[in-house]
Amino acid sequence: NAGVTQTPKFRVLKTGQSMTLLCAQDMNHEYMYWYRQDPGMGLRLIHYSVGEGTTAKGEVPDGYNVSRLKKQNFLLGLESAAPSQTSVYFCASSSFGQGTSPLHFGNGTRLTVT
Amino acid sequence: GDSVTQMEGPVTLSEEAFLTINCTYTATGYPSLFWYVQYPGEGLQLLLKATKADDKGSNKGFEATYRKETTSFHLEKGSVQVSDSAVYFCALTGDYKLSFGAGTTVTVRA
Repeated sequence: NAGVTQTPKFRVLKTGQSMTLLCAQDMNHEYMYWYRQDPGMGLRLIHYSVGEGTTAKGEVPDGYNVSRLKKQNFLLGLESAAPSQTSVYFCASSSFGQGTSPLHFGNGTRLTVT
Repeated sequence: GDSVTQMEGPVTLSEEAFLTINCTYTATGYPSLFWYVQYPGEGLQLLLKATKADDKGSNKGFEATYRKETTSFHLEKGSVQVSDSAVYFCALTGDYKLSFGAGTTVTVRA
């Protein structure tokens, strides 16, 4: 049972480059989320989706875009990477809203922007 | 807005010691409260939760009680093991999202 799978696990970008992080879940969950984790700041919500074809902004959406074309996939894009986007990115999914059912997390993507 | 404050770490303990991690919250409504744990190299996973005042969540020897009067949800374990070394996050539901604390790193030495 794979759960939530994130690719890639590590990536180094130069300032101004673009990339897409892929999240896939095999639990048929409706809700999916992208978080970033920075030292001393906990997890902050970037974008989320409440179902296929829907996306919404979270707490820190600037500089990121997302798409949910298929229910099982949630893509996070960086169009022009900046050093401030150096972070560990986590994808998560849940069957219902965040207060009702637990979040299932992937193992994270460590991104460094130089 | 809704927020969570948890004690700063890192916390270093010996095996079989008692662990407490303090967590207090600010919320306008009646949030659900959670503790998530992150083991090295992994994503977060739910440790326990409580959905209303005076509820006690428990799992793997950990406990936390939802205290509305003190707006707290402190995590406790009576006898820690080396395998409990991890980062622990307190969280609450509020508005449209789950708000996390900054995390507390716990290291248990044999």
